Amino acid sequence: AQSVTQPDIHITVSEGASLELRCNYSYGATPYLFWYVQSPGQGLQLLLKYFSGDTLVQGIKGFEAEFKRSQSSFNLRKPSVHWSDAAEYFCAVGDYQAGTALIFGKGTTLSVSS
Amino acid sequence: ETGVTQSPTHLIKTRGQQVTLRCSSQSGHNTVSWYQQALGQGPQFIFQYYREEENGRGNFPPRFSGLQFPNYSSELNVNALELDDSALYLCASSRGGGETQYFGPGTRLLVL
Repeated sequence: AQSVTQPDIHITVSEGASLELRCNYSYGATPYLFWYVQSPGQGLQLLLKYFSGDTLVQGIKGFEAEFKRSQSSFNLRKPSVHWSDAAEYFCAVGDYQAGTALIFGKGTTLSVSS
Repeated sequence: ETGVTQSPTHLIKTRGQQVTLRCSSQSGHNTVSWYQQALGQGPQFIFQYYREEENGRGNFPPRFSGLQFPNYSSELNVNALELDDSALYLCASSRGGGETQYFGPGTRLLVL
């Protein structure tokens, strides 16, 4: 069955430091991959997506992610974190065998320290 | 900000009651998906509607039902509410079945 694993439940990063959030997926075909961010009590905002082509994907707010098929990973990175990046981050894979459901990981909470 | 809106923002119901949640899709989008997000969890897919027809369903019981209207807005209905139905309900719209989904702000449902 399709699944997404985000191994880190909670990460704390100093403001200005670099960030990497891990995401591993299990999917039989070429995956459609997404990262969403959720601020407390809010809906989900799309950061970036991978459908095909260049495996390094640029998104909004200075985020990027790299698709590595051999490792079944789609890790999210940012070179310099800002206090406003503190939020919940979700990785998702598009499951196009069940309508077009998104299968989400359990999320990683990012805290930013000053 | 996406153009997806949901109403109401918050709702309190008692066990056994019925609830209807509403979603207006972004302009130009013909597909609406519904997700349930329990506290501390990732969203779980409930079902999707494409041009007024159900286009896929997750592992939710039949008491979760939906509709999509000709203007592509949508309703989620939950009958015989249970305590475990307490969650944030998210609606997402997209241009088609395989396109990127854009989420609304959600409706927070509390079942007492």
